[in-house]
Amino acid sequence: EPEVTQTPSHQVTQMGQEVILRCVPISNHLYFYWYRQILGQKVEFLVSFYNNEISEKSEIFDDQFSVERPDGSNFTLKIRSTKLEDSAMYFCASSEEGQGYEKLFFGSGTQLSVL
Amino acid sequence: AQSVTQLDSHVSVSEGTPVLLRCNYSSSYSPSLFWYVQHPNKGLQLLLKYTSAATLVKGINGFEAEFKKSETSFHLTKPSAHMSDAAEYFCVVSGLKAAGNKLTFGGGTRVLVKP
Repeated sequence: EPEVTQTPSHQVTQMGQEVILRCVPISNHLYFYWYRQILGQKVEFLVSFYNNEISEKSEIFDDQFSVERPDGSNFTLKIRSTKLEDSAMYFCASSEEGQGYEKLFFGSGTQLSVL
Repeated sequence: AQSVTQLDSHVSVSEGTPVLLRCNYSSSYSPSLFWYVQHPNKGLQLLLKYTSAATLVKGINGFEAEFKKSETSFHLTKPSAHMSDAAEYFCVVSGLKAAGNKLTFGGGTRVLVKP
């Protein structure tokens, strides 16, 4: 089965530093997503992306966050100035369509630790 | 608005015995519902989905779930647990396409399988 790949699997950074989390969605997929899970809490939606623009974003996704599809294969999440509370597991996902009922494929996540 | 409640944070079963993971949802429209599983160091994998067809949904690895609208439930079951079923399970409800296909996750149920 095709996979969504995320790199790195672990990222440690200092507070205030910029981080970029990278994802390679499945090649024929058109919709892309970022979710995160803070330790001990629920998986939360951050942002969805289609046709080179954000479809929807949550309250968490403030001006410190941005997403980009810089080429035909990568999908990145940038945090400009990390805070301690950004420490979480970040999941990238993709789907063929955005109908709301089809399958999202998730990557194995990037564990971000902000010190 | 939509929400998902998984009634048990941890479930412990013996190998070969049935597994029941409970999930209740709240949605202001006819929802699409999913169960995802996460094994250690792996991505979220779709077990099964309900999209307003048959109310009893069969998934991979012998799991099935029954959609009960009157009870707003979508419990996951398996008749005989295997050691490889030890993982965390998430009940998920999908938003509308107009809302960016946002998924809302339950808190997760961690399953321990005893030999």
